[in-house]
Amino acid sequence: RKEVEQDPGPFNVPEGATVAFNCTYSNSASQSFFWYRQDCRKEPKLLMSVYSSGNEDGRFTAQLNRASQYISLLIRDSKLSDSATYLCVVKINTGGFKTIFGAGTRLFVKA
Amino acid sequence: GAVVSQHPSWVICKSGTSVKIECRSLDFQATTMFWYRQFPKQSLMLMATSNEGSKATYEQGVEKDKFLINHASLTLSTLTVTSAHPEDSSFYICSASAGQGIDGYTFGSGTRLTVV
Repeated sequence: RKEVEQDPGPFNVPEGATVAFNCTYSNSASQSFFWYRQDCRKEPKLLMSVYSSGNEDGRFTAQLNRASQYISLLIRDSKLSDSATYLCVVKINTGGFKTIFGAGTRLFVKA
Repeated sequence: GAVVSQHPSWVICKSGTSVKIECRSLDFQATTMFWYRQFPKQSLMLMATSNEGSKATYEQGVEKDKFLINHASLTLSTLTVTSAHPEDSSFYICSASAGQGIDGYTFGSGTRLTVV
């Protein structure tokens, strides 16, 4: 079983739609959680950190469920520019920090 | 915010030659940097953790003699792909964190290596 799992998609949604991605992690020593966005042939860029209490940044809402070991990302009012691959990233504290990337979920927003 | 500069952005080299990729933290000191490789339509795979002033820590399956890492200063780490072969063609990305714990990572812009 992979340490971080995501549905690869692709998710094809119309503009204005609400779309949600989930990501599960298996290591109970996972300490920090992030969502990154990666555009084609570009480096990943931090979209948002995920806090235990859940957090929102504009149209994006991230949530963490430690009991079930998953994090989620909700995108409201999708824009064409939201089309990208969304990477779930988990930082594990094993004495030193180790970062595990999910394989990513591809999102296509269409007009 | 934290900026990581990676150079070159792309490189084409002949089989058997070596290629050096540089990763610099521009506005912060990074005692630890990370090197990733990404094949098309796949996730980033951690190759190694670069530690300033000491040997790099390689992930299982990554040949340390083939992928030489040098982290001689707090702002520079280099990855040298030695005796490159076509199967080494990939997107190589470095990253660093300006802090520990809950902080995320900043990535370099990546280096697309093509070995012909």
